[in-house]
Amino acid sequence: RKEVEQDPGPFNVPEGATVAFNCTYSNSASQSFFWYRQDCRKEPKLLMSVYSSGNEDGRFTAQLNRASQYISLLIRDSKLSDSATYLCVVNPYSGGYQKVTFGTGTKLQVIP
Amino acid sequence: SQTIHQWPATLVQPVGSPLSLECTVEGTSNPNLYWYRQAAGRGLQLLFYSVGIGQISSEVPQNLSASRPQDRQFILSSKKLLLSDSGFYLCAWSGAREQYFGPGTRLTVT
Repeated sequence: RKEVEQDPGPFNVPEGATVAFNCTYSNSASQSFFWYRQDCRKEPKLLMSVYSSGNEDGRFTAQLNRASQYISLLIRDSKLSDSATYLCVVNPYSGGYQKVTFGTGTKLQVIP
Repeated sequence: SQTIHQWPATLVQPVGSPLSLECTVEGTSNPNLYWYRQAAGRGLQLLFYSVGIGQISSEVPQNLSASRPQDRQFILSSKKLLLSDSGFYLCAWSGAREQYFGPGTRLTVT
């Protein structure tokens, strides 16, 4: 089993739709979790951290389910500008040096 | 605020030639630094990390090497490039939790 697994997609959704991605991880001791966004031929950029109680940032909501070992990202009211690849990142450490594991990403295409 | 620079942005090199990619960070001191490679259509692979000047750890055996001559400078090198070294090379630094990436160098080995 891969350390971090994501559905590669692509998810093709119309503007205004709600879309959700899941990411599963294998290390039950993992400490921190993140979602990054990567545009085509660009560097990954931090979208949001994922906290145990769940957290929201505008149209984006992240959830963590430790029992089932997955995190999710929900995007409401999708915009054309949301089209990108979304990377799930898992860190088995609580701080200091971070040997994080990146998922291979889920591609989202928002259609006019 | 912190910024991270990488150069060159793109590079085309023949097989067997040397390589030197540079990364510098501004606005922070004693950062943890990382080199990743992203091959076409694949995930990020950690190549090296450094927790301080002269301290380098290698994650993947290969013909690449890294050095950290100054606190905020991280260099990726190779003496002889292979075709398989082609990819998108990303430098990153980490704060308390998250990692932040530079703009990357796209390397094509011909």
